[in-house]
Amino acid sequence: DVKVTQSSRYLVKRTGEKVFLECVQDMDHENMFWYRQDPGLGLRLIYFSYDVKMKEKGDIPEGYSVSREKKERFSLILESASTNQTSMYLCASSFGRNSNQPQHFGDGTRLSIL
Amino acid sequence: AQSVTQLGSHVSVSEGALVLLRCNYSSSVPPYLFWYVQYPNQGLQLLLKYTSAATLVKGINGFEAEFKKSETSFHLTKPSAHMSDAAEYFCAVSEKTGNQFYFGTGTSLTVIP
Repeated sequence: DVKVTQSSRYLVKRTGEKVFLECVQDMDHENMFWYRQDPGLGLRLIYFSYDVKMKEKGDIPEGYSVSREKKERFSLILESASTNQTSMYLCASSFGRNSNQPQHFGDGTRLSIL
Repeated sequence: AQSVTQLGSHVSVSEGALVLLRCNYSSSVPPYLFWYVQYPNQGLQLLLKYTSAATLVKGINGFEAEFKKSETSFHLTKPSAHMSDAAEYFCAVSEKTGNQFYFGTGTSLTVIP
């Protein structure tokens, strides 16, 4: 089974801090994604990556950046955390360039910005 | 960009009753379609997917979904609800070019004993 591991289940940070959320997958997937999930809004794509050192903006990239130095690891960075970034963050990965492949999700990081 | 509509943000059914969760997509070209389930404090788990083969797709835990091109729909059903089915359900579509998914806003299913 595919395993997508997010480094923290719960995280509390203060406004203005630089925050790192880490995600690792063990199935050699090319594609990795970061979403945020908010009640009533579903999942919104922040950034995604098709390959090492490649990144693409999703629907809501403002205030975030990403890093993919190794194929298995995709990091989400909040440059200067703000209270409106309090949310559940979900990482996902998928195989290949064919869009019929499902995305596999980690258990999420519930981030609170105080 | 794709648009995915899940009618009903909350659905309640009695244990043993039929479960019907609705999903409609906007594309004129049939996309790939997926249903995911999310239990509390967990990530999303794939229930089933439609990728241009049979229009009736069977998934895990007794769920199935039917792709209807004329209605641009992919509704999820289960003949008999179980208490363990209480969760949030998400419909997602993927266009045939690119790997980006578009998610609906989710339907929270409550099962009444």
